[in-house]
Amino acid sequence: QVQLVQSGAEVRKPGASVKVSCKASGYTFTTYAIHWVRQAPGQRLEWMGWIHAGIGDTKYSQKFQGRVTITRDTSTSTAYMDLSGLRSEDTAVYYCARGGNYFDPWGQGTLVTVSS
Amino acid sequence: EIVLTQSPGTLSLSPGERATLSCRASQSVSSSYLAWYQQKPGQAPRLLISGASSRATGIPDRFSGSGSGTDFTLTISRLEPEDFAVYYCQQYGSSPITFGQGTRLEIK
Repeated sequence: QVQLVQSGAEVRKPGASVKVSCKASGYTFTTYAIHWVRQAPGQRLEWMGWIHAGIGDTKYSQKFQGRVTITRDTSTSTAYMDLSGLRSEDTAVYYCARGGNYFDPWGQGTLVTVSS
Repeated sequence: EIVLTQSPGTLSLSPGERATLSCRASQSVSSSYLAWYQQKPGQAPRLLISGASSRATGIPDRFSGSGSGTDFTLTISRLEPEDFAVYYCQQYGSSPITFGQGTRLEIK
């Protein structure tokens, strides 16, 4: 079955960076995009950006432009989300999701905690 | 950016009742690129409906979606105990992709 498995929880200090991975299985990785969405405590879901896993094109939400980088490794069917300049407001669960347009399925989520 | 506003914020109903959830967009959502997701505590969201009215694979037919333009509705015809969760709408017709703030469906 189609599955996305994310890396484990991370704790970072303000100003640091974090890289979350998302390993896909059960489908041809290069024929879909991978999106990244985050959910801060008590907040709505927030789209960060996406990568076309085949051609590698990316698009980012303006809110995160300059701080987020999404990459992929086709040899391992894995996508990555790198967020720099972390601040306390970046504490959230980060999800990857397979998409063309709508998102299906989603990874299990990765909690990133930013604390001094 | 298209802002999605969901109502009500919380809906209290009993199993067997009908639930009607609303999602209103600040601008028209192109080509009905509107999806609905269900999220249970500690879990990732799950796709229910895409294209405003198409049920995702494996989703029971008690879930239905309707609407176009700026007004969309998710209806659950007869609530089952497992349906009590938070529901989000999402528009994917224009960038940035945006989500509503969610409707919490709780047991009365």
